[in-house]
Amino acid sequence: KQEVTQIPAALSVPEGENLVLNCSFTDSAIYNLQWFRQDPGKGLTSLLLIQSSQREQTSGRLNASLDKSSGRSTLYIAASQPGDSATYLCAGLGGGSEKLVFGKGTKLTVNP
Amino acid sequence: EAQVTQNPRYLITVTGKKLTVTCSQNMNHEYMSWYRQDPGLGLRQIYYSMNVEVTDKGDVPEGYKVSRKEKRNFPLILESPSPNQTSLYFCASRQGGEKLFFGSGTQLSVL
Repeated sequence: KQEVTQIPAALSVPEGENLVLNCSFTDSAIYNLQWFRQDPGKGLTSLLLIQSSQREQTSGRLNASLDKSSGRSTLYIAASQPGDSATYLCAGLGGGSEKLVFGKGTKLTVNP
Repeated sequence: EAQVTQNPRYLITVTGKKLTVTCSQNMNHEYMSWYRQDPGLGLRQIYYSMNVEVTDKGDVPEGYKVSRKEKRNFPLILESPSPNQTSLYFCASRQGGEKLFFGSGTQLSVL
């Protein structure tokens, strides 16, 4: 059974800092991994999707990597801004399963 | 605009009074799903549907029903709501192994 873990649960950084959010998963037969952003009381917005055949994806200041052998994915945010403050969730789609398994998220606060 | 639309956004009801939360997507996605989100428990899948007339249980299906009569719609039905179903509910859809699109959520309170 796929399990997805995100550590730390919360992270506070000063504006301008580069930062890395971590996501680990137990089943390496992962089909893809997706990173989401959630603002308080709002829905989830997909940021990046990495297919199992890919190593990384980039969108603007965001870069996500996937290492199936170690069961890890990272979301790199460059030059963080207060507007980046939100909860970031990762989710893995298991090979042979249609079920997307979510981590509990990392709450990011970027201080001006 | 591609979107998943949920209604209502907020709902307060009383124990035992049947309710339906609607979900509609305009992207012709085959896969649709319902989640609930609770503090400390994260997102948990309630039901999902691979296509019209094809539905299956997720992790926490007890007390919920769904139907998929049309590709675009996937309503969530609570036949007899109880206070432990107070939660933030999300509908989502995707095509194949592509990105999952979420609705804005429905905050349900059962008194």
